[in-house]
Amino acid sequence: AQKITQTQPGMFVQEKEAVTLDCTYDTSDPSYGLFWYKQPSSGEMIFLIYQGSYDQQNATEGRYSLNFQKARKSANLVISASQLGDSAMYFCAMREGQDSGGYQKVTFGTGTKLQVIP
Amino acid sequence: NAGVTQTPKFRILKIGQSMTLQCTQDMNHNYMYWYRQDPGMGLKLIYYSVGAGITDKGEVPNGYNVSRSTTEDFPLRLELAAPSQTSVYFCASQVQGRDTQYFGPGTRLTVL
Repeated sequence: AQKITQTQPGMFVQEKEAVTLDCTYDTSDPSYGLFWYKQPSSGEMIFLIYQGSYDQQNATEGRYSLNFQKARKSANLVISASQLGDSAMYFCAMREGQDSGGYQKVTFGTGTKLQVIP
Repeated sequence: NAGVTQTPKFRILKIGQSMTLQCTQDMNHNYMYWYRQDPGMGLKLIYYSVGAGITDKGEVPNGYNVSRSTTEDFPLRLELAAPSQTSVYFCASQVQGRDTQYFGPGTRLTVL
């Protein structure tokens, strides 16, 4: 079974509108964390937002918010007031488990390509 | 701080050649990682290290080797390059106990 599922290969959004990028996850670990990264066409990976499994409130970072629904195992990224510079690939990722060295495995989804239309 | 730096940015190898991808971080992070990203896919973990002298295999380690002699450096070695190793390689680092991984700019490798 896929650990991280992003079902939207591509999305379009009008500039200044809000957009939701979907992410569902699968884990039996009670302690885990969920991330979103942005990858523009230049190729670098940019950290956007993080949500821990025990966090009571949804994470927010500026125009980014994470809609965390634990029972549904979903961690959707909401981008408000889209800008042309938001056009990029967006990856959802999850960390889970912990070995004796404290390492926690991180698994990435296949990504969603967002295009913002002027 | 330069953050995480990777060299080279691009490289073309012939089948059977070897090379080392360099990764250096100046943030004194304990954890370092090597990922590969195939076209249209997410990242897959090749190797990771939780500190100098300690390395372990990730999801796709075959065909690669790593070493971690210092906190700063985490080189990835490809022996006998194969076309299946054509990919973009990302190095990342992380502070132990914190959740965010910081990525380098990537190395685009083509094996012909």
